[in-house]
Amino acid sequence: EVQLVESGGGLVQPGGSLRLSCAASGFIFRSYEMNWVRQAPGKGLEWVSYISDSGSTIYYADSVKGRFTISRDNAKNSLYLQMNSLRAEDTAVYYCARDWFGQIDYWGQGTPVTVSS
Amino acid sequence: DIQMTQSPSSLAAFVGDRVTITCRASQSISTYLNWYQQKPGKAPKLLIYAASNLQSGVPSRFSGSGSGTDFTLSISSLQPEDFATYYCQQSYSTPMYTFGQGTRLESK
Repeated sequence: EVQLVESGGGLVQPGGSLRLSCAASGFIFRSYEMNWVRQAPGKGLEWVSYISDSGSTIYYADSVKGRFTISRDNAKNSLYLQMNSLRAEDTAVYYCARDWFGQIDYWGQGTPVTVSS
Repeated sequence: DIQMTQSPSSLAAFVGDRVTITCRASQSISTYLNWYQQKPGKAPKLLIYAASNLQSGVPSRFSGSGSGTDFTLSISSLQPEDFATYYCQQSYSTPMYTFGQGTRLESK
C-alpha cells in the first residue's frame, strides 16, 4: 500500500524557517517524481514545487522561488521541503504528492504550517 | 501561466441527480486535464486523468470529457458520498501545474 506521511509542520514566526519531511513507503520511491502542494485555510490547491526521480530537475512556483528548497533522499525514501523567510501567506496545509505522468495519484494526509507572530 | 477556471463555484443537487462541472483553460491544453475530489479535512483524490480516463477504483458514474480549452466532469447519478469539492488541474505545462479554484457540491 502506497503511503506518504508528512511531518515537520507547526507554528513559526514571520521570517522564520521550517523543514517539512515526507516518508514514502509501499512503492519504489526512487522511480517517481514528487511534488509539494499546499492549501491555505478555506482556499484551493496550489502547486508549490516539483523534483524529478533523481533529484536533478527541480521547479518552484513563483510565490516560493528563492525561499523554499525541495530535496529528496532516495536511500531514505524521503522528500523534504526547506522553507525559509516564511510569510503569513505561506500558512497552509502542505501535501506531499506522488507524480504519475502529470497527475498526482497519491497524496499524504498533509501537515499544517502556520506563520504568525 | 495557464489559468484554470471552474464553473460553477458551488452547486446544490439531490441524490440521484446528474451533475456537470465545467473547467476552462486560458489556452489549449489538449487533453492534459485531471480531476480531483476532496472531502473536508482530507487529501484530494484523483478521479479522472487525461481528460477522460477513470482512475482505478473510481466508480463508473464519474466521467470526464473535453479537449483544447473546455472540459467537463459529470456524475451520472449523485450518491451521498459524492458531496465534496472538485478541482481540475492542467498538466500541459508539466510540472508547473495549476488548479481550478474548485467547485463545492452540496446536498439540496
